[in-house]
Amino acid sequence: AQKVTQAQTEISVVEKEDVTLDCVYETRDTTYYLFWYKQPPSGELVFLIRRNSFDEQNEISGRYSWNFQKSTSSFNFTITASQVVDSAVYFCALSTHNTDKLIFGTGTRLQVFP
Amino acid sequence: DTAVSQTPKYLVTQMGNDKSIKCEQNLGHDTMYWYKQDSKKFLKIMFSYNNKELIINETVPNRFSPKSPDKAHLNLHINSLELGDSAVYFCASSHPFMGANYGYTFGSGTRLTVV
Repeated sequence: AQKVTQAQTEISVVEKEDVTLDCVYETRDTTYYLFWYKQPPSGELVFLIRRNSFDEQNEISGRYSWNFQKSTSSFNFTITASQVVDSAVYFCALSTHNTDKLIFGTGTRLQVFP
Repeated sequence: DTAVSQTPKYLVTQMGNDKSIKCEQNLGHDTMYWYKQDSKKFLKIMFSYNNKELIINETVPNRFSPKSPDKAHLNLHINSLELGDSAVYFCASSHPFMGANYGYTFGSGTRLTVV
């Protein structure tokens, strides 16, 4: 069975702090993709990143970075120097070769205070 | 041009009514989906269609019936609406798995409120 766990329900930080959102996944498939989505208060789902199971390279995009570690089945997301506009619910998700659907974690609500 | 568009954005209706939500994508994707987001923000797949064929039906009550007239459209019809159907419904489409552009594009959501 596939599963995504985001143990942090809610995180509050003050602007300019760094924050890491944790994601742990479970799958027996060897071919899979991991995703992060952002859902701001306006409600839409904004794609942030996709990583496939063959590529363990970490990625950095501006203030965002992702740490993929197959050994611990984790795909963590770090925001450096957080800003108020980063306030949103962040979802980690998994899809596998055998199930063409996104399996979402329960989301982490990030609140960034000025 | 909106890639995945769904209408209406908001829908308020009384219990027992029948309603439809429409979804259209102009990305040329073969696969389309309906996801439901409940009041606790939990997102779960309901259905997927590949080129008009039903692929996934995830333990959804029979009152929910998806219809795909062509691969660019996937509509969701709900009969005899219940209070528990209140949620945000997201339509999505995807590139083929393992393709260079594999990923999911979501519509902006339809907030359904049953009163």
